[in-house]
Formats: sequence, C-alpha cells, structure tokens
Amino acid sequence: DTAVSQTPKYLVTQMGNDKSIKCEQNLGHDTMYWYKQDSKKFLKIMFSYNNKELIINETVPNRFSPKSPDKAHLNLHINSLELGDSAVYFCASSQVFGMGHTDTQYFGPGTRLTVL
Amino acid sequence: ELKVEQNPLFLSMQEGKNYTIYCNYSTTSDRLYWYRQDPGKSLESLFVLLSNGAVKQEGRLMASLDTKARLSTLHITAAVHDLSATYFCAVTSNAGGTSYGKLTFGQGTILTVHP
Repeated sequence: DTAVSQTPKYLVTQMGNDKSIKCEQNLGHDTMYWYKQDSKKFLKIMFSYNNKELIINETVPNRFSPKSPDKAHLNLHINSLELGDSAVYFCASSQVFGMGHTDTQYFGPGTRLTVL
Repeated sequence: ELKVEQNPLFLSMQEGKNYTIYCNYSTTSDRLYWYRQDPGKSLESLFVLLSNGAVKQEGRLMASLDTKARLSTLHITAAVHDLSATYFCAVTSNAGGTSYGKLTFGQGTILTVHP
C-alpha cells in the first residue's frame, strides 16, 4: 500500500496558468507538509498543516495556496504560474508530538512541474 | 535561523573503499535525520538520531551524532555501486511554534561509487 501518494507525477504547463497538486497519506499522521526541491536538489519547506490547521507558512509567494480538507489530504494550488516555479514538489507526512517535535517524515513520490 | 551544511557535496568513490559524509548544523536541535534519494525518486528515511552519542547502523552505512559539536557523520564501509545516490541530512529545531515539525535540510551529497 502506498503510504504517501501525489498526483500528478508530471505536470507541464504554460506560464500564467493555474494548476493543482494533490497529496494523500494513509499512515494516520496528523501533520502534512509541502517541500520544494529546486534544480540544484535543494529542499525547502513551504507549508505544514496539523489536523487541517496551517502551522508553517514559509516565505512563499501568495500565488501558492495550500488546502487541507481533512488530515489525510493536503493539496497545493498554484495561480499564475511562472518559469521560476519549475521544480519538484514533495508532499510529506509525520506524527508531531509534544512541543512540535516531529517523528520521521515520509515523503511522497514527488510532482515534477515544468512551466514553459 | 537554523543552517545545515554537508560536506563534501560531491563524492566519487571506488567500490570497496570507506568514506564519511559530514553534516554540521548551526543551532541546538533535538533530532537529526539522514535520507537517501535516488535519481528521479522520492526521499527514503535511513536514520533518526535522537541524542548525543547516538549511533545507528544499517548494512554498510553507519550514522552518529555529536550534539555538543553539532555534527553528524554518515560513514560508508566497503562501498558498493548500489549505494550511489544523493544523501541528505536534516535537522529539526528545538523550538515549537512556527518551527513545528519543520525539517531544515543540508545541500545533499551526491555519491557515485565506481567499480
């Protein structure tokens, strides 16, 4: 069974379009994340949600809007796509406890976004 | 702000040799993680190190943590081609609040093992 799944795996689109990426986890975790991996493989957190509540919102353009309909799903909608948005986007999930300490984060397969 | 630095960034090894990847971090942290990423694939968790002096081993990989030096090492013993991948260390901050569950990653070390 796939623990963290994302759709689509590949997304090729024109500048200015709006697109969404979906993520689902079946691990029963209470926290989900979006990370961006750039062309140099650098990974940076974008957002995290705990039980549908936005917790971490890094300095990401407001064209990016996450939504968590329930604790097993976290979607990412991107408006007015730009060339610089081309990257691999990873969803992850974990159990967070105590004062925000995270257990191991499990990553989805990634969505490779190419903006032309 | 928490910073995590790995070195080397590129490592070309011969099969059968030993080497170590280093991970330094800038502020107190409660946990350190090592992940592996194969080309075009997701990140796979290798180790979680929870306390000073922690050592974990899996096959040819051994990870250790020195919280006083803010240093973790990933030691590769008798490398084989299958270990070729990118290895990341990642650290969580001790602070809660806006650092809640946040992983800060190192730049990654691209390991290539040659016959």
